[in-house]
Amino acid sequence: GENVEQHPSTLSVQEGDSAVIKCTYSDSASNYFPWYKQELGKRPQLIIDIRSNVGEKKDQRIAVTLNKTAKHFSLHITETQPEDSAVYFCAAPLRAGGTSYGKLTFGQGTILTVHP
Amino acid sequence: NAGVTQTPKFQVLKTGQSMTLQCAQDMNHEYMSWYRQDPGMGLRLIHYSVGAGITDQGEVPNGYNVSRSTTEDFPLRLLSAAPSQTSVYFCASSYSRTGGSRGPQHFGDGTRLSIL
Repeated sequence: GENVEQHPSTLSVQEGDSAVIKCTYSDSASNYFPWYKQELGKRPQLIIDIRSNVGEKKDQRIAVTLNKTAKHFSLHITETQPEDSAVYFCAAPLRAGGTSYGKLTFGQGTILTVHP
Repeated sequence: NAGVTQTPKFQVLKTGQSMTLQCAQDMNHEYMSWYRQDPGMGLRLIHYSVGAGITDQGEVPNGYNVSRSTTEDFPLRLLSAAPSQTSVYFCASSYSRTGGSRGPQHFGDGTRLSIL
């Protein structure tokens, strides 16, 4: 099955700075890479995702880049704000006979703290 | 449209007891999954279902059973609770598309389970 490694485990930035979180995956056939944000005591919420047929996707201050050759994808948050403080998880599909079936394996999470 | 609804929100069990965590979605999603979240370990897939009558194991299925008799409901049963099953449990559902699948994008609020 897929193995996803996420780094760093903690990230502290000043308000207005950029934050980058990176994930590597093992299965070259993986084709879908979502990022989730989880605030303390809340459910994970999808913030952005990317499919393997594109290299980058942006949504306002958030972007995700994908390098299929190196098998890694990254979350970029620009102009960080205190409300961006949360745990961020990357994920990739688990495989079963070549079909992902919508089940995911998650990275270990990154605790992002944005200081005012 | 309530999304994904999990009950109960909190539960304390004694070792050896059994119980069922309920999950229901009203979005007509085909895929449903159960994850557990432990500190420092992200989310791990327990069981998943690609449609009514079809279930399969995830990464950590031991000690849990599932069934999917309807599209809406996907209960998770703990057969004989153990302290190692103390965790936060999340149910998720996702929409199926022909030619591919999308990872869980709708999580419930979670069930916080403590086994004494």
